[in-house]
Amino acid sequence: DAGVIQSPRHEVTEMGQEVTLRCKPISGHDYLFWYRQTMMRGLELLIYFNNNVPIDDSGMPEDRFSAKMPNASFSTLKIQPSEPRDSAVYFCASRVEVRNTGELFFGEGSRLTVL
Amino acid sequence: RKEVEQDPGPFNVPEGATVAFNCTYSNSASQSFFWYRQDCRKEPKLLMSVYSSGNEDGRFTAQLNRASQYISLLIRDSKLSDSATYLCVVNARNTGFQKLVFGTGTRLLVSP
Repeated sequence: DAGVIQSPRHEVTEMGQEVTLRCKPISGHDYLFWYRQTMMRGLELLIYFNNNVPIDDSGMPEDRFSAKMPNASFSTLKIQPSEPRDSAVYFCASRVEVRNTGELFFGEGSRLTVL
Repeated sequence: RKEVEQDPGPFNVPEGATVAFNCTYSNSASQSFFWYRQDCRKEPKLLMSVYSSGNEDGRFTAQLNRASQYISLLIRDSKLSDSATYLCVVNARNTGFQKLVFGTGTRLLVSP
């Protein structure tokens, strides 16, 4: 079974550039989460969707960040313009409500470096 | 105060040793607790849920102390393959499983 698929795995960009991270959740999962991980702050929840609808974006750091989920099999996280402090690993995760176990399935992450 | 606090370690132990990690959480209304494991440069994966009565999965035992608001993980007979970062996870207030708050992790190094 395919897990959560994220792309790109690595991205190096210059300050001011637009960055788009992509995620394909596990088929049938109705929740999708975007997390950011840094050494200092650990894993932080940025936003999550339920059935493609954004439920809570209170973790999005500022207006430079936006996320969309146009359909059940695809989501994007966009940073525009990017800044060096955005450098982190961005994880997408999904889960299915019906199992009610709280288990999140993470993708392998997108490692972003902003110079 | 952070919602979930863990000793970052690293805990350096020899193979076969028993090691325990603690984690404290600040939200007394939290109802769901987990331990996740994260290998170096990999994604986090669920290790085990933590139940009120405590639970065991092979060499791993998890305990919950609601009165003191801490969770523990005990690993017996440590293996080299147990070397990883262990993340304590708690649900945010009144959100069920939706908003899981992760600690920054405790790093374990098991040596031969």
